Amino acid sequence: EDKVVQSPLSLVVHEGDTVTLNCSYEVTNFRSLLWYKQEKKAPTFLFMLTSSGIEKKSGRLSSILDKKELFSILNITATQTGDSAIYLCAVWVQGAQKLVFGQGTRLTINP
Amino acid sequence: GAGVSQSPSNKVTEKGKDVELRCDPISGHTALYWYRQSLGQGLEFLIYFQGNSAPDKSGLPSDRFSAERTGGSVSTLTIQRTQQEDSAVYLCASSSSVDEQFFGPGTRLTVL
Repeated sequence: EDKVVQSPLSLVVHEGDTVTLNCSYEVTNFRSLLWYKQEKKAPTFLFMLTSSGIEKKSGRLSSILDKKELFSILNITATQTGDSAIYLCAVWVQGAQKLVFGQGTRLTINP
Repeated sequence: GAGVSQSPSNKVTEKGKDVELRCDPISGHTALYWYRQSLGQGLEFLIYFQGNSAPDKSGLPSDRFSAERTGGSVSTLTIQRTQQEDSAVYLCASSSSVDEQFFGPGTRLTVL
């Protein structure tokens, strides 16, 4: 069974801290891994990763994929209260044509 | 440049009633997906449409769930004889590539 596991499930930090969110996966036929931010209802796209070792970066957010060890991390530096959200990791399963999501990490940034 | 839209935004229904949820994808997007998210849970894949191909129904939780996509655009997710465990946020997404998906705002369904 295809599976995506995120950790931690919940994280509370102070504004300005750096956080690392983890995503590990076991799927039959990996195509790509995606990170989303979900603040209210609709997730918004952050990154798509297909190759190992290549860091994707957008402002204070960055992500990297390790296809050998089957995991990805999402880093957020100099966190702000606006970063508070649920961060979702999903893996696209080639052939099955579906995204398998992890449970999400609920990140809370306290001022 | 409208995004994915869904209606209604909220739906409260009584157990045993049928409900229809609507999704308008981004114009030109050939792929359309339905997911649901129960309280405190991750996203659960329900069904996927690609162009005019027969949909992948493998994720539908029971035969009470069905979905249509008319003319390769608008999609309707129908839940018959709703149960309390059907209460969730139902999210629709569309894409033009096989990777990035754009999500709608969701429909929050509450079954009393």
